[in-house]
Amino acid sequence: DGGITQSPKYLFRKEGQNVTLSCEQNLNHDAMYWYRQDPGQGLRLIYYSQIVNDFQKGDIAEGYSVSREKKESFPLTVTSAQKNPTAFYLCASSTDPYGYTFGSGTRLTVV
Amino acid sequence: GIQVEQSPPDLILQEGANSTLRCNFSDSVNNLQWFHQNPWGQLINLFYIPSGTKQNGRLSATTVATERYSLLYISSSQTTDSGVYFCAFTYSNYQLIWGAGTKLIIKP
Repeated sequence: DGGITQSPKYLFRKEGQNVTLSCEQNLNHDAMYWYRQDPGQGLRLIYYSQIVNDFQKGDIAEGYSVSREKKESFPLTVTSAQKNPTAFYLCASSTDPYGYTFGSGTRLTVV
Repeated sequence: GIQVEQSPPDLILQEGANSTLRCNFSDSVNNLQWFHQNPWGQLINLFYIPSGTKQNGRLSATTVATERYSLLYISSSQTTDSGVYFCAFTYSNYQLIWGAGTKLIIKP
């Protein structure tokens, strides 16, 4: 079945450490996105990519980095510059502005 | 920028009850969508509803674009309807602007 796979489901980061969240899709979607969700809040866009080897900053890109070397993959790195990274991270993909598919998310906690 | 407000923020109902969730937006928007996030975090798209009314089983949605609001109706609620309901609209380049959500709890 087609879908989006995010891993790991839970991730713990030490202070000053970089961590990478994985997002893979087999839907043949061109566009991919990373969102951050804090408790009781809506989603905020971190980065998005509409085509391989190209990506754009969203509203809260500081402290994060991405790459899009393959159509299927859009990993997100949370760097040590992100001072408050504890949150729920959701990856999504779409082939048009209406048909979004989301992964099951990664819960990142700073320890 | 365009603001999206959802109401009520929280809603607790008994199983079998009906509910109406509202989404107001401050300016004309295109491509309004409704999403459901279950208690484990999984988000699914319920409706793409730029205008008019759509129905899918016990759920239906209506958007009145000229009056800048959309409504999501849930009839005969079930415990599996619990979660957070978001409305969102497409900004430029496929970006979605999200409301803060309505948290719905259905008690058995």
